[in-house]
Amino acid sequence: DVKVTQSSRYLVKRTGEKVFLECVQDMDHENMFWYRQDPGLGLRLIYFSYDVKMKEKGDIPEGYSVSREKKERFSLILESASTNQTSMYLCASSSPWGSNNEQFFGPGTRLTVL
Amino acid sequence: SQQGEEDPQALSIQEGENATMNCSYKTSINNLQWYRQNSGRGLVHLILIRSNEREKHSGRLRVTLDTSKKSSSLLITASRAADTASYFCATVPYNTDKLIFGTGTRLQVFP
Repeated sequence: DVKVTQSSRYLVKRTGEKVFLECVQDMDHENMFWYRQDPGLGLRLIYFSYDVKMKEKGDIPEGYSVSREKKERFSLILESASTNQTSMYLCASSSPWGSNNEQFFGPGTRLTVL
Repeated sequence: SQQGEEDPQALSIQEGENATMNCSYKTSINNLQWYRQNSGRGLVHLILIRSNEREKHSGRLRVTLDTSKKSSSLLITASRAADTASYFCATVPYNTDKLIFGTGTRLQVFP
């Protein structure tokens, strides 16, 4: 059974803290994605990666960075958390373009920044 | 940038009825996908329809795609209480692996 796991379901942090969200997939997928989901705004792409050590900005990269040192792991980093980064964060992975490229999602991390 | 807009935003029906959700998008696509999200959870892929296809079926799901109108619809037949969830359409623009999601339709099916 294919799986995408995220390090935490719920996380509470304080303003200014550095926050790491981890995502691991076991499908040997080349592509990995980080989204945030907010009511009324749907899912918005923060960053994505086509390969190890490769990264591309999505639609809302400001305030975030990512790291992909191994194929199966994609980390989202909030350098200095702010209250407007309170959100649901979803990680996904997929095969590359040319295939079905459906995305497999993790269960999400609900982050609250106080 | 949001590409998909879904209609209606919310839908309430009785078990056994059919549910139809519509999606419109803006640019040319490689394929269009529908996902389901149960409350507070991750998304689950339901069905994918390619730009050269007009209709696709999977169990109780029927998806249509009209590329001339840049629109798609998802029909769930004989709905069940377990179908209660949010449904999102997502488009894949040409030559990319990115999904661009709509804002979703919240479906409530009453027993």
